[in-house]
Parts: sequence; C-alpha cells; structure tokens
Amino acid sequence: EVQLVQSGAEVKKSGESLRISCKASGYNFDTYWIAWVRQMPGKGLEWMGNIYPGDSETRYSASFQGQVTMSADKSISTAYLHWSSLKASDTAMYFCARPRSFDSTGYYSYWGQGTLVTVSS
Amino acid sequence: DIVVTQSPDSLAVSLGERATITCRSSQSVLYTSNNKNYLAWYQQKPGQPPRLLIYWASTRESGVPDRFSGSGSGTDFTLTINSLQAEDVATYYCQQYYGNPPPGPTFGGGTKVEIK
Repeated sequence: EVQLVQSGAEVKKSGESLRISCKASGYNFDTYWIAWVRQMPGKGLEWMGNIYPGDSETRYSASFQGQVTMSADKSISTAYLHWSSLKASDTAMYFCARPRSFDSTGYYSYWGQGTLVTVSS
Repeated sequence: DIVVTQSPDSLAVSLGERATITCRSSQSVLYTSNNKNYLAWYQQKPGQPPRLLIYWASTRESGVPDRFSGSGSGTDFTLTINSLQAEDVATYYCQQYYGNPPPGPTFGGGTKVEIK
C-alpha cells in the first residue's frame, strides 16, 4: 500500500528556518516525482514544485522559486521541504503528493496527511 | 501560465439531485498528439488532503463512485455529481497539468458543495 506520512505541525517565528518531511512507503521511491502543494488558511491549492528522488532533479513554480528548497534522501525514502527564513505569509498547510503512475507527473493519486506550519511575527 | 477558473464558488443542492461544476482554462489543455485533455478533478473535505476523482478529464479514479463524472474538452470542462449524497459535501477543485513545469500544474479556486 502506497503511503505518504508527513511530519507533525510546526510553530515557528519569522526568520527561523524549518524543514518538514514526507516519508514514502509501499513503492519504489526513486522512480516517482513527489510534489509539494500549499494551502493557505481557508484558501485553495497551489502547486509549489516537485522533485525526482532518483536524481534529485527539482522543478519549482515561479511563485516559490528561491523561497523554498526541495530535497530527497533515497536511503530513507523521504522528501523534504525547507525554508531558510520563514515569513508570516508562509503560514499554511503543506501537502506532499505522488502521481498516479510513474509516467504521469501532473495529477496526484496519493497525498500525505498535511503538515500545518504556523509562523508568528 | 494557464489560469483555471471554476464556477460557481459555492453550490447548494438537495439530496438526490444533480450538482454541476464548471471549469475553464485560459488556453487549451488538449494535447493533440494523444488526444488527451490534461485536466483532473479533486474532492477535499475539511481537515483532509485532496482526493483524486477524475483524470484525463473523464477517467474515473479507482474506487470513485460512478455518480461522479467528468466531461469537456479543450478549455471547458464539467464535473457532474448525480444523485448527491450527504458524504459528497466538500470543496471540489479542477486542476490542469498540461506541459512540463515550470510553470507547472494549476488549480481552480474551488467550489464548495453543500446540502440544500
């Protein structure tokens, strides 16, 4: 069974750094893109970017380029989303997601449960 | 970037009746070489991640009840929920995934479906 299990909720202050995780199981982690999706409080879904764990190739949405860093550790089947300096506007729920099949990168059958990040100023 | 617009923002439907949500993309998401529309629909309930309902505009995901159906092509798409059930109360999102990122997939603003 494919599972994506995300790290727990975080409460941070502006300017602090943060890394959240998404641990995959039930499939070959190396061969499927992992995407990150933001959902601000009461708002819709925004695609942030994705990473291919096999070679750590990353693709970012223009809105998030330079704002976050995506990485992956194949040895423990875990993807990460990292901020070097958080802002209050980063307060949101963050989801990781996996495409339905290895040859389809754009629509997502599998989702993590979400990680709530709260940043106070 | 492809902009995806959903309507209405919210919808109240009686149990057993039909709900219809429309989605329009700012440019065609039909890839002519394979005749596929790069459009998906998701359902999200409060406190849960999104759930994939439909991909390729009309292919139902495994396990999704057949009262959910998707149609349309090019720039105009529809999600229909026949015989609305109480468990269908949720927010529904369409998403285009045409082309390789960047810019990447984009979602519509969502349609909240409630019981009348």
